[in-house]
Amino acid sequence: QLQLQESGPGLVKPSETLSLTCTVSGGSISSSSYYWGWIRQPPGKGLEWIGSIYYSGSTYYNPSLKSRVTISVDTSKNQFSLKLSSVTAADTAVYYCARVRRFHNWFDPWGQGTLVTVSS
Amino acid sequence: EIVLTQSPGTLSLSPGERATLSCRASQSVSSSYLAWYQQKPGQAPRLLIYGASSRATGIPDRFSGSGSGTDFTLTISRLEPEDFAVYYCQQYGSSLYSFGQGTKLEIK
Repeated sequence: QLQLQESGPGLVKPSETLSLTCTVSGGSISSSSYYWGWIRQPPGKGLEWIGSIYYSGSTYYNPSLKSRVTISVDTSKNQFSLKLSSVTAADTAVYYCARVRRFHNWFDPWGQGTLVTVSS
Repeated sequence: EIVLTQSPGTLSLSPGERATLSCRASQSVSSSYLAWYQQKPGQAPRLLIYGASSRATGIPDRFSGSGSGTDFTLTISRLEPEDFAVYYCQQYGSSLYSFGQGTKLEIK
């Protein structure tokens, strides 16, 4: 059974870079059938897609975040990562990683999520 | 960017009743690219429906999806206590993904 687990600091200072890693277990990140994505959810609010990556390294980003986002993949570790630069309090959210079904584009399964707070 | 608008914002029903949740898109969405998720407090979203009408693995048949173009519906035929949660629709188009703002299904 495929599982995803987010990891990284829970507290980031304003103007710094948020860095998270998603570790995939129970399956290969190099599958040709899937992309891998990041989604976030501010406390008490809805879901926002951040970006997605294919195992080859091809990326797609939300235009509203594109200037600050970098998503990368490490197939040797079965991991993919998110970096979000110049964070503000508005970036405080639960960050989820998820598998994305290629050609169909739904998210399943999801990691449990990790809360990242931006505060000095 | 395609904007998804869900209605109602909150739906108050009793167990055993039928729930009808709406998702309207600002422009036409391919049915292949419309999904529904359920989220309970403190949990990650769970895929319920993909391709507008196909149930994900393990999803009870009381959940059904329908619609096309700009109007999509999630129906729960007979509400069970565990169905009270927040529901989101999601679409994909032009290499972008977007979610609706959610419908909270609460116990009346």
